[in-house]
Amino acid sequence: AQSVAQPEDQVNVAEGNPLTVKCTYSVSGNPYLFWYVQYPNRGLQFLLKYITGDNLVKGSYGFEAEFNKSQTSFHLKKPSALVSDSALYFCAVRDGGNNRLAFGKGNQVVVIP
Amino acid sequence: NAGVTQTPKFQVLKTGQSMTLQCAQDMNHNSMYWYRQDPGMGLRLIYYSASEGTTDKGEVPNGYNVSRLNKREFSLRLESAAPSQTSVYFCASNTLRGDEQYFGPGTRLTVT
Repeated sequence: AQSVAQPEDQVNVAEGNPLTVKCTYSVSGNPYLFWYVQYPNRGLQFLLKYITGDNLVKGSYGFEAEFNKSQTSFHLKKPSALVSDSALYFCAVRDGGNNRLAFGKGNQVVVIP
Repeated sequence: NAGVTQTPKFQVLKTGQSMTLQCAQDMNHNSMYWYRQDPGMGLRLIYYSASEGTTDKGEVPNGYNVSRLNKREFSLRLESAAPSQTSVYFCASNTLRGDEQYFGPGTRLTVT
């Protein structure tokens, strides 16, 4: 069964500094990897995905993520954080052979003005 | 194009009561999903429907039933609510394997 680990409960970063949210995964087949963001009292919004191809994936709102097969990681990054990036971020993985997404427990990102 | 809609937005139930959460999507998606979100536990899959006419159990199906009414609608039923089912419930949909899922706004359910 697939699984995701997001090792940090909360990430604090100063506005304008680089933001990194970590994610490692486990699947038996080829991984389909996703990042979602959740603002308070809202549903999840899709940020980006890796299916195949370039290891560096670019997504919405200036976010990008790097797929590293040897380290089974898919860390989310943003070069310069904004206060409006403060939210809950979820990493998710799907085994290419089934329909089911496994989510990490989420990381709260706090961007300090 | 409303995307994924869920009703109701909020609900309070007493232990033992039943209710149905409704979900509809207008994106012509084949697959639909029900998740629950609890603090510190991420999202856990309750049931999903890969296509119209099929449903399958997810990670935490006990205490729930689902119905894929047609391609647009996928409902989640709690037959006898328990306090452990207090949670935020999200419906999602997508087209094909590998596609991102689109989420509804959620239903916040409290069982007393």
